[in-house]
Amino acid sequence: AQSVTQLGSHVSVSEGALVLLRCNYSSSVPPYLFWYVQYPNQGLQLLLKYTSAATLVKGINGFEAEFKKSETSFHLTKPSAHMSDAAEYFCAVSKGAGGSYIPTFGRGTSLIVHP
Amino acid sequence: ETGVTQSPTHLIKTRGQQVTLRCSSQSGHNTVSWYQQALGQGPQFIFQYYREEENGRGNFPPRFSGLQFPNYSSELNVNALELDDSALYLCASSFQGARMNTEAFFGQGTRLTVV
Repeated sequence: AQSVTQLGSHVSVSEGALVLLRCNYSSSVPPYLFWYVQYPNQGLQLLLKYTSAATLVKGINGFEAEFKKSETSFHLTKPSAHMSDAAEYFCAVSKGAGGSYIPTFGRGTSLIVHP
Repeated sequence: ETGVTQSPTHLIKTRGQQVTLRCSSQSGHNTVSWYQQALGQGPQFIFQYYREEENGRGNFPPRFSGLQFPNYSSELNVNALELDDSALYLCASSFQGARMNTEAFFGQGTRLTVV
């Protein structure tokens, strides 16, 4: 079985500050890991994905995440927050190579950006 | 634009009724997954269809059923609606092949309200 835990249901930062959203995963097989963003009344948009290549993954909108097997973590970061980054962020895990793509999602972290 | 379209965008049904939600997958994709996202929660996997056959199912009762058509579009049917079925229903399409799987691309969702 696979699961992800997102630490903190809400994260509040000032515009220009570092964004750090935490995700820890549990998987019995080498995982694929994803971060999705959801704006109000919208579907999910893929920010970035880890598929067993480089452990530091760069995504869209200046976000990046680092896969740390020893810590079973895949935290999402952005050096400088913009007001437009305010949204719900979901970490997800699926089986790696050879597995069916059925990601399991965390409960989400709401990012609040203050002017 | 992801290319995954869902209809309708909003729907209100009465408890006990039946509902059908529709999804057109992105061009070139052969797999459709359905998720239920309750307010303030992460998406929960309902089931996945690959080449018109159910390819995996989450912890949902049999009154949740689906179909995938030869053009890879899909329907989600829910019978005997309950108040707790009120949620955003998300469809995601992807490609599964012998040598590669793609990530899921999500539609905008259908907001179902059961009264």
